[in-house]
Amino acid sequence: EAQVTQNPRYLITVTGKKLTVTCSQNMNHEYMSWYRQDPGLGLRQIYYSMNVEVTDKGDVPEGYKVSRKEKRNFPLILESPSPNQTSLYFCASSLFTNTEAFFGQGTRLTVV
Amino acid sequence: KQEVTQIPAALSVPEGENLVLNCSFTDSAIYNLQWFRQDPGKGLTSLLLIQSSQREQTSGRLNASLDKSSGRSTLYIAASQPGDSATYLCAAQNSGGYQKVTFGTGTKLQVIP
Repeated sequence: EAQVTQNPRYLITVTGKKLTVTCSQNMNHEYMSWYRQDPGLGLRQIYYSMNVEVTDKGDVPEGYKVSRKEKRNFPLILESPSPNQTSLYFCASSLFTNTEAFFGQGTRLTVV
Repeated sequence: KQEVTQIPAALSVPEGENLVLNCSFTDSAIYNLQWFRQDPGKGLTSLLLIQSSQREQTSGRLNASLDKSSGRSTLYIAASQPGDSATYLCAAQNSGGYQKVTFGTGTKLQVIP
């Protein structure tokens, strides 16, 4: 089944403890991106990648890192999480930049 | 900077009614405009994608139109059903070297049986 898989689905962590949210797609898509969704602010793009080793900042990249070492995986790294990064995170992929996007089920992160 | 607005924020209609959801964007230099639905606690499901060169796309009871010159897109839902209840989001992808995606904040639709 074609899908975008995020792990974990739920995570509670403490301020400053590094964490990684994984994202994997099995559709050989080139374009992948990360979003956060907050009440009243909607979805905002954090980072995106147009292909392996090609990444760029979205609207809210501060406090996040990404890497794209292989086409299928696009992990989101929070080196030192803070409470303002408490949010619902989504990973998405599309075959190319200009094609239909497929979303993962989301990761609900709470930083205390 | 691209800004995407969706009005109204919430909409409640009786079953069977035809309805229109609106999406406006400030920067017309876009690759595409995509409509999604989001159910509570779930991810986003793509409904329709309109390329910048297209005027509209149709899928079943859904029809989406795009007018780049006026910075507007509409999603038309025919003969609404209770199963259509969800939040509908539009997203504009910028063209050029910086290909960000900007989402609107959504319209929460309730279809009453």
